[in-house]
Amino acid sequence: KQEVTQIPAALSVPEGENLVLNCSFTDSAIYNLQWFRQDPGKGLTSLLLIQSSQREQTSGRLNASLDKSSGRSTLYIAASQPGDSATYLCAVKRGHNNDMRFGAGTRLTVKP
Amino acid sequence: NAGVTQTPKFQVLKTGQSMTLQCAQDMNHEYMSWYRQDPGMGLRLIHYSVGAGITDQGEVPNGYNVSRSTTEDFPLRLLSAAPSQTSVYFCASSFSPGSSGNTIYFGEGSWLTVV
Repeated sequence: KQEVTQIPAALSVPEGENLVLNCSFTDSAIYNLQWFRQDPGKGLTSLLLIQSSQREQTSGRLNASLDKSSGRSTLYIAASQPGDSATYLCAVKRGHNNDMRFGAGTRLTVKP
Repeated sequence: NAGVTQTPKFQVLKTGQSMTLQCAQDMNHEYMSWYRQDPGMGLRLIHYSVGAGITDQGEVPNGYNVSRSTTEDFPLRLLSAAPSQTSVYFCASSFSPGSSGNTIYFGEGSWLTVV
């Protein structure tokens, strides 16, 4: 059974800092991996999707990497801003039927 | 552009009552799914559908029913509510799982409390 873990559970950083969020998974046979953002009281918004054949994806200040062999993904946020404060979740899709397994998320606070 | 719409936003039920959470999407997505989110546990898949008339169970299906009579709608029914079903419920949709990219879109959630 695929288990997805995100460490740390919570992170607080000053504005402007570069930071890395971690996601690990137990079964390396994945179809893809997605990073999501969740604001309080809201749904999830997809940030980056990495196919199993890819090593990384970039969007603006966000960069996500994938290392299937070690069962790890990282989300790098450059020059963090208070507006980046949210919970970030990673999810792995095991096969083409879209069954996704989510981590519990990392709650990020960026202090002005 | 409505995306994925869930109703109601908040609901309080008594143990044993039944209710339906509504989900509708206007993006012509084949795939729709229901998740529940509990503190410290991430999202867990309840049921999903790959198209009208086709549904299947996810990781935690017990106590829930679904149907998919149209492409747009995917209601989730709680048959006899229990306190363990107190959670936040999210509906999601995407194009066919075989599509490249395959970004998934989520509704804003339904907060359910069973007393």
